[in-house]
Amino acid sequence: QVQLVQSGAEVKKPGASVKVSCKASGYTFTGYYMHWVRQAPGQGLEWMGRINPNSGGTNYAQKFQGRVTMTRDTSISTAYMELSRLRSDDTAVYYCAREFIAAAGPSYWYFDLWGRGTLVTVSS
Amino acid sequence: DIQMTQSPSSLSASVGDRVTITCRASQSISSYLNWYQQKPGKAPKLLIYAASSLQSGVPSRFSGSGSGTDFTLTISSLQPEDFATYYCQQSYSTPPDPFGPGTKVDIK
Repeated sequence: QVQLVQSGAEVKKPGASVKVSCKASGYTFTGYYMHWVRQAPGQGLEWMGRINPNSGGTNYAQKFQGRVTMTRDTSISTAYMELSRLRSDDTAVYYCAREFIAAAGPSYWYFDLWGRGTLVTVSS
Repeated sequence: DIQMTQSPSSLSASVGDRVTITCRASQSISSYLNWYQQKPGKAPKLLIYAASSLQSGVPSRFSGSGSGTDFTLTISSLQPEDFATYYCQQSYSTPPDPFGPGTKVDIK
């Protein structure tokens, strides 16, 4: 079954770090970029960055540069997103999402597979 | 960076209504535009990719159109399960900063 399974909810104190995992199954993990998207309570979707699971190369949204680190472990088909120096406004559901490139024509891509999300609560 | 806007931010409609949501890019993105539906407590679900291609399994009452900077998502006959929030997402530039702010569709 093609799916992304994320780690469980976390509660962290301001200033701490959190590491969320996303385990892929049912497809070749190294064949698709993995993105991370977050959603604060009652807010829209916010793109954080992506990782190439094959090379480990990353692209981060400017907003998170210096605070976010995306890594992967190909031996267990798992991607990780670590966010440091947490603040209360980092409270959100964090999603991993697979980038799929359409087969025909120009390189149209989209998010075709999503994890169920991991709630990270930052509170003193 | 490319900025995405959506209008309206919310709308109220009845079952059976035709609903149209607009997405605009700050510069031309050709047809690199996707649409997602999100229900409360759930992950987003892809509806339309490449501006007008219907994702497999998505009902045909959903359609997308447009190119360049202006795009439209249309629901031809709104069903009870369609009450949700809809997001556009551009895939033209990388890193993408891709999502529009969303349009919430609720029951009139």
